Amino acid sequence: GAVVSQHPSWVICKSGTSVKIECRSLDFQATTMFWYRQFPKQSLMLMATSNEGSKATYEQGVEKDKFLINHASLTLSTLTVTSAHPEDSSFYICRASGGAGNEQFFGPGTRLTVL
Amino acid sequence: GENVEQHPSTLSVQEGDSAVIKCTYSDSASNYFPWYKQELGKRPQLIIDIRSNVGEKKDQRIAVTLNKTAKHFSLHITETQPEDSAVYFCAATLTGGGNKLTFGTGTQLKVEL
Repeated sequence: GAVVSQHPSWVICKSGTSVKIECRSLDFQATTMFWYRQFPKQSLMLMATSNEGSKATYEQGVEKDKFLINHASLTLSTLTVTSAHPEDSSFYICRASGGAGNEQFFGPGTRLTVL
Repeated sequence: GENVEQHPSTLSVQEGDSAVIKCTYSDSASNYFPWYKQELGKRPQLIIDIRSNVGEKKDQRIAVTLNKTAKHFSLHITETQPEDSAVYFCAATLTGGGNKLTFGTGTQLKVEL
């Protein structure tokens, strides 16, 4: 199956700094990227959906100016958590959608800890 | 939008017993229902899925049933093994509508020796 990678796999940062998470689809064209956030012992909550070359669509309650999403190519999408605070500490997972068979693949996730 | 409820939140079974996890969805337009297994700190892994034109699907020890009228779908695991211990999530979506998956709240399955 297709491979979707995320970088970094984990990151620790100080409160107030920004963190960029990359999601790459390695062998298929991801026309749509979904970004999820998962707090401990909770479900995956969709944050936003982005189509290549278009602005992301954010779910209700997700601040678009705080969680910047870029999907400039069919193989790369980035999520930037700006001015991170401890409450942003979570597991962030991308899900790439696309390809001839409309395939769907999750990235391995990024554990963000904000001190 | 779609809302998916999942029960139970925790399930403990003895090795070799069966486990059943149930989900309900709200949007009658949803037509694709995948189930995921997630181990701690890892990505969800698709274990089985079912489409709305099918009532049941089986893959070795795992089966899924769908009742469109009642908007229920269930995961059945038979002959459970310790390696089945994980968190299981159901999900629902309308394919062709951007495949925006809505997840259930998850079930922590523990298979005891």
